Formats: sequence, structure tokens, C-alpha cells
Amino acid sequence: QVQLVQSGAEVKKPGASVKVSCKASGYTFTSYYMHWVRQAPGQGLEWMGIINPSNGDTNYAQKFQGRVTMTRDTSTSTVYMELSSLRSEDTAVYYCATERILGGYQPLDYWGQGTLVTVSS
Amino acid sequence: QSVLTQPPSVSGAPGQRVTISCTGSSSNIGAGYDVHWYQHLPGTAPNLLIYASSNRPSGVPDRFSGSKSGTSASLAITGLQAEDEADYYCQSYDSSLSGWVFGGGTKLTVL
Repeated sequence: QVQLVQSGAEVKKPGASVKVSCKASGYTFTSYYMHWVRQAPGQGLEWMGIINPSNGDTNYAQKFQGRVTMTRDTSTSTVYMELSSLRSEDTAVYYCATERILGGYQPLDYWGQGTLVTVSS
Repeated sequence: QSVLTQPPSVSGAPGQRVTISCTGSSSNIGAGYDVHWYQHLPGTAPNLLIYASSNRPSGVPDRFSGSKSGTSASLAITGLQAEDEADYYCQSYDSSLSGWVFGGGTKLTVL
């Protein structure tokens, strides 16, 4: 069965960077795009960006451009999301989620368990 | 402000029917992009509830249904149960932003 296992909680100081991993199993890694979505405390879901594991192509939400980098390691079926210049507003649970590569805009059908990133001085 | 607008909250008694609206624009729902719905329980990952406006993944009860018209979409839940109490989000693609967008979320309370 499809599983997305994310790295553990992080506590970072303002201005630092954080790198969250998402290890996929149970499917062909290059058959699904990987999205990153976050939820700040008391807020809704916010889309951050997408990476194509086949070729590494990315598309980032305008809000995060210049601060976010998504990469992948096909040898370990792992996707990474790095967010830099952290501020308190980046405190959130970060999720990875898959989208089947079928053309069009498919739903996010499998989700990781979430990674809490806390930004505090 | 979310690109897709949802009511912050809805409520209903057990057994009743509720609907949650998702209003977009000509650059997302109105442009013909699919709308997907997710159920999000506190402390868990979001779960796909409805895809492509009106389709249910296997395992989702037929009490949940979706529709789309023009620049809006709706999620309907019939026969409300206590376990339906959760946050619900719509999602689509926006061509002006060149990215995916979520609604602000709707908290469903079962009275």
C-alpha cells in the first residue's frame, strides 16, 4: 500500500532553514507528482508547491518563491522541501501529498502524516 | 483571503443534510478546472472525499456528494453523523496564479 513517511518535528530559530523529507513506498515513485501543503495553527490548508519526481521540475506558489526549494532522490524515493529565512509565521504542520500523473489536475490522494515545524527564538 | 471562498462554519443535527459551498472565479472553477474536496480531522492528515467535482473514492460513503456549476462547487452531506464533525476544504487549480489553491475551510459541527 502507498505510504508517505515524513521526518520528525523540528524547532528552528528565526532566519534559519528547515528541510523536511517525505519517503514514499508502495508505488512507482515517478508515477506521482509530490505536493507540499502546510497548515499554520488555527489556519487552513495552504499549497506550497509541486515537484515532478521524474525530472525534478518544480512549480512553487508565488508566496514562497525564493524561499522554498523542493528536490528529490530517486534512489531512495524521497522528496525534500527546504524552507529558508524562517519566521514565526512559518510555524505550521507541513504535509507531502501525491497527485497521480494522468494529465489534468488530479486530486491529492495520499498524504504523509505531517511534520510540525516550530519557529521560535 | 483565500482564492476559493467557503463559509467558515456550518452545523446540523444528526440525520440532517448540510451543504458547503466553494465559490471561485473565471480563473479556477469557472475555467473548468476540477474541484476536489478533503475532510480534515484534527491531528490527522487530510483525506480525499470527492474528486473531479462529483466522484467518490472507494470507501467514501454515498452520504457525501459533490456538484459544480459555473464558478462554484458544493459538497453535500446527508444523514449527518457525529463522526462527520471535521474541517472540509475544496481545492482547484488557478490559471492566474499558475498553481493549486484551497478554500479557507469550513468547520462542520454536528449538534
